[in-house]
Amino acid sequence: DAKTTQPNSMESNEEEPVHLPCNHSTISGTDYIHWYRQLPSQGPEYVIHGLTSNVNNRMASLAIAEDRKSSTLILHRATLRDAAVYYCIGNRDKIIFGKGTRLHILP
Amino acid sequence: EADIYQTPRYLVIGTGKKITLECSQTMGHDKMYWYQQDPGMELHLIHYSYGVNSTEKGDLSSESTVSRIRTEHFPLTLESARPSHTSQYLCASSESGQGGTEAFFGQGTRLTVV
Repeated sequence: DAKTTQPNSMESNEEEPVHLPCNHSTISGTDYIHWYRQLPSQGPEYVIHGLTSNVNNRMASLAIAEDRKSSTLILHRATLRDAAVYYCIGNRDKIIFGKGTRLHILP
Repeated sequence: EADIYQTPRYLVIGTGKKITLECSQTMGHDKMYWYQQDPGMELHLIHYSYGVNSTEKGDLSSESTVSRIRTEHFPLTLESARPSHTSQYLCASSESGQGGTEAFFGQGTRLTVV
């Protein structure tokens, strides 16, 4: 499972796009890149995952660098409900969480 | 809506008591996990299971034990609770596979040992 590095915190204005970066330089060719988020006082929830290609779903987009050593989670239009801790995880087996990025949304 | 349930949601118990935290999922998932999380801190994996009769310790050492006798059930037990066990415990499950599957989390059990 890959070690990941994320900024401790980020701020964004409401209704603007947010780009959350993640470095995973030790990722192996079979490690998937997962993103989860944890809202205050709740358990984590799945956001998106991918292996090599960029991925889109109703919550977000995941842009994966060509060398797979980094990725970016994109929230296209942040709302106050998106304020949470976002975790980037590189895994093939167990799900190991790091410290994540605490995202603050300014009204 | 995730079909994974933890009970109780909150538990306050005295030192030295034996406790079991329940976790059940109705999705037929083979993989199940227990995490421990202190307020404002990261989640630490303490136990996981690949399927029935399979349990392994996670990255954070824990005095708790787990069992997996049925696919849907993954209880966590503390034989003698101590104040240092006060924390939130989160259970999760996912399908088997080479990492490309989504994990579902329960709402957690907030344990306080007095």
